[in-house]
Amino acid sequence: EIVLTQSPGTLSLSPGERATLSCWASQSVNNNYLAWYQQKPGQTPRLLIYGASTRATGIPDRFSGSGSGTYFTLTIRRLDPEDSGVYYCQQYGSSGRFGGGTKVEI
Amino acid sequence: QVTLRESGPALVKPTQTLTLTCTFSGFSLSTSGVCVNWIRQPPGKALEWLARIDWDDDKYFTASLNSRLTISKDTSRNQVVLTLANVALVDTATYYCARSGAGPSFYFNYWGRGTLVTVSS
Repeated sequence: EIVLTQSPGTLSLSPGERATLSCWASQSVNNNYLAWYQQKPGQTPRLLIYGASTRATGIPDRFSGSGSGTYFTLTIRRLDPEDSGVYYCQQYGSSGRFGGGTKVEI
Repeated sequence: QVTLRESGPALVKPTQTLTLTCTFSGFSLSTSGVCVNWIRQPPGKALEWLARIDWDDDKYFTASLNSRLTISKDTSRNQVVLTLANVALVDTATYYCARSGAGPSFYFNYWGRGTLVTVSS
């Protein structure tokens, strides 16, 4: 079973900066079936990216995903305090396993 | 408008069987390619995908809980039921249901608000 490892555990940045979140897979992710979610405190997760790089409906272009195989990244440009939360990657090439999350503090 | 809502007991005792119901609207689980999933999140911890049921009644489970989980659907009532047998303290979590597709669409684009289940004697 594919294990996803996210880093860093916590990212503390200032408004306007850029965040780069990493997601490593223990095996190659089939067809780059990799999604990213944002979960704000006390809220339900929200889909940001699927297929490694396709933004979900209504997601601003400040959010972008890239990568393939075993390494993927989520980049958030021009950080806003509203971007604070925990970000999870999920592979869906086999099962629906999530990574451990990266907490972003703005 | 797609909505999902989880319901079930807030408190269960160790060794009991937990039964959760997901009631949804805005889509049909008889439509080809539509799936409903259960995902949980222990307090302060990461998300964990548990199970999926597809429009054609195919079922999938996370390996670590495969022997304890069952999932079923009632298409006419727009409901999906998850059972988790022999619960323990570590099963305390918020349980979410979420819609996905299958194959290249097996990501979760609609979520319920979740229901917190506490396992305690």
